[in-house]
Amino acid sequence: SQQGEEDPQALSIQEGENATMNCSYKTSINNLQWYRQNSGRGLVHLILIRSNEREKHSGRLRVTLDTSKKSSSLLITASRAADTASYFCATDLYTGANSKLTFGKGITLSVRP
Amino acid sequence: ETGVTQTPRHLVMGMTNKKSLKCEQHLGHNAMYWYKQSAKKPLELMFVYSLEERVENNSVPSRFSPECPNSSHLFLHLHTLQPEDSALYLCASSSFPAGELFFGEGSRLTVL
Repeated sequence: SQQGEEDPQALSIQEGENATMNCSYKTSINNLQWYRQNSGRGLVHLILIRSNEREKHSGRLRVTLDTSKKSSSLLITASRAADTASYFCATDLYTGANSKLTFGKGITLSVRP
Repeated sequence: ETGVTQTPRHLVMGMTNKKSLKCEQHLGHNAMYWYKQSAKKPLELMFVYSLEERVENNSVPSRFSPECPNSSHLFLHLHTLQPEDSALYLCASSSFPAGELFFGEGSRLTVL
């Protein structure tokens, strides 16, 4: 089964509300990353949090990491219609010389104007 | 503009055709990747090249053949594909061994 699993699969909110997306994983990681993908486009990196970090902020984004629960959350505050996209978590499994980034299926976020 | 350019953006091919996808990065990265994205499935890592050597081949069928002639260019040669190979193929680059990935816009492949 896949390493990272996002929850929920789909989320629909009103503009101005906060959006919380969760990611769980199974094995130890080097870092966890969140990406965004607009329909039919490539993925864009949002934020990276290392295994020894617990929280990180970037603009309206807040990411937390709980290594004891093997979970992470992405919070988007004061959402905008332009935040409508798919969001993916990716876990970096550092195994010696190689780094392997494994993605989940993604969360579809719809922000209603 | 992410610094990673993929061509063509759209490709339709028959099962007996031979075609290639091209990826070029202008970011000075030393690793390049091919991912396959199909509907309702996680992104699948296909190949990883680090310093022009293949370091990952994720059990990909031999009808997909990667080529990395230098650290800035990556190709995916396609031949005798199946309809189930229809997907969005994404190229990415990074600074190896760890770090964020920079993706191209993808090549949408349809196999008839």
